[in-house]
Amino acid sequence: ETGVTQTPRHLVMGMTNKKSLKCEQHLGHNAMYWYKQSAKKPLELMFVYSLEERVENNSVPSRFSPECPNSSHLFLHLHTLQPEDSALYLCASSQDATEAFFGQGTRLTVV
Amino acid sequence: GEDVEQSLFLSVREGDSSVINCTYTDSSSTYLYWYKQEPGAGLQLLTYIFSNMDMKQDQRLTVLLNKKDKHLSLRIADTQTGDSAIYFCAESLENTDKLIFGTGTRLQVFP
Repeated sequence: ETGVTQTPRHLVMGMTNKKSLKCEQHLGHNAMYWYKQSAKKPLELMFVYSLEERVENNSVPSRFSPECPNSSHLFLHLHTLQPEDSALYLCASSQDATEAFFGQGTRLTVV
Repeated sequence: GEDVEQSLFLSVREGDSSVINCTYTDSSSTYLYWYKQEPGAGLQLLTYIFSNMDMKQDQRLTVLLNKKDKHLSLRIADTQTGDSAIYFCAESLENTDKLIFGTGTRLQVFP
């Protein structure tokens, strides 16, 4: 148990669906992250929120839309995804950009 | 540029030592990390080293950093079957919230 909880653990969605991934951290951290993990590729940083403001958007397509309503919660809204978006999506949090604590991830399959 | 590289696979016999290597390109890294990912789980921080240190030991884990060669290694002494997992090297860069990850090394421990 790392103090970072992601839901759902698994998600299957069609290309026309809209769904959201949720992340919650109970560590009092001030930064939260979304990463994408695909097979045999480096972990890709998607978004960084620091003090609830987005500070990084790593050229992520607009079909991924993050939301950070407060320092403990982070969402990733998904719509009109492609099959190549199927991956493990990991949320993480950290305090002042020191070591990151990761959630267990959401395994997303786009059909 | 920012690039972190690892070999994809390592196989060792139970009781032997494992050495997982990582090279990185960015010289402005502040911390370097080793994460472990077990099947179906998120990334778990194993250990980290500050960039002005050469070595850190933590029970069975030894981290060696050669900053001149931009080479990081993780040695696991007396490797056990429970150590079978994917090990990710990561670096954090000065003045950013970013963590740059390698592709991960899959460690397989056989009896």
